Amino acid sequence: RKEVEQDPGPFNVPEGATVAFNCTYSNSASQSFFWYRQDCRKEPKLLMSVYSSGNEDGRFTAQLNRASQYISLLIRDSKLSDSATYLCVVNSETSYDKVIFGPGTSLSVIP
Amino acid sequence: EPEVTQTPSHQVTQMGQEVILRCVPISNHLYFYWYRQILGQKVEFLVSFYNNEISEKSEIFDDQFSVERPDGSNFTLKIRSTKLEDSAMYFCASRDSTDTQYFGPGTRLTVL
Repeated sequence: RKEVEQDPGPFNVPEGATVAFNCTYSNSASQSFFWYRQDCRKEPKLLMSVYSSGNEDGRFTAQLNRASQYISLLIRDSKLSDSATYLCVVNSETSYDKVIFGPGTSLSVIP
Repeated sequence: EPEVTQTPSHQVTQMGQEVILRCVPISNHLYFYWYRQILGQKVEFLVSFYNNEISEKSEIFDDQFSVERPDGSNFTLKIRSTKLEDSAMYFCASRDSTDTQYFGPGTRLTVL
């Protein structure tokens, strides 16, 4: 099993739609979880950290299920500017200081 | 807003040549990282650096790679003898005492 796996995508959704991305991780000892977004040929940018209790930031909601080793990201009321690749990031089992990136899920929001 | 900067934005080199990629992390950050992303592939961790020494490195980070913080601001990645497969985007990142890593805009390395 790969360390971090994500929905393969791509996701093509109309403006205003709600879209959910899923991520699973193999290391049960992981403590840090993040969602990043990456625009084409740009650097990853932190979207949000993911906490055990779940967290929300405007239109974005992240959930963590430790028992299932599963992380999700929900985007409500999609905007054209949400078009990007969404990266699930988890710290490795060998080191808190080393993070593992998932392969990413591509989102295109269509007018 | 403070940001991580990287130079050059694009480096073209011949196979076998040495390259040095430069990064200026955010000034009050203590942890520094290098990642690479081969075109069309995922971001891969190379190395982390704290307190003037490597704290963690991946299997990619072999003897051809080295990192240095030569002064109080720069953080460099050196590749001693580049190979074709080293062609990739190299990202530097830094973080403070929180978990959040801030990435630089990257250096695109092309090895011919």
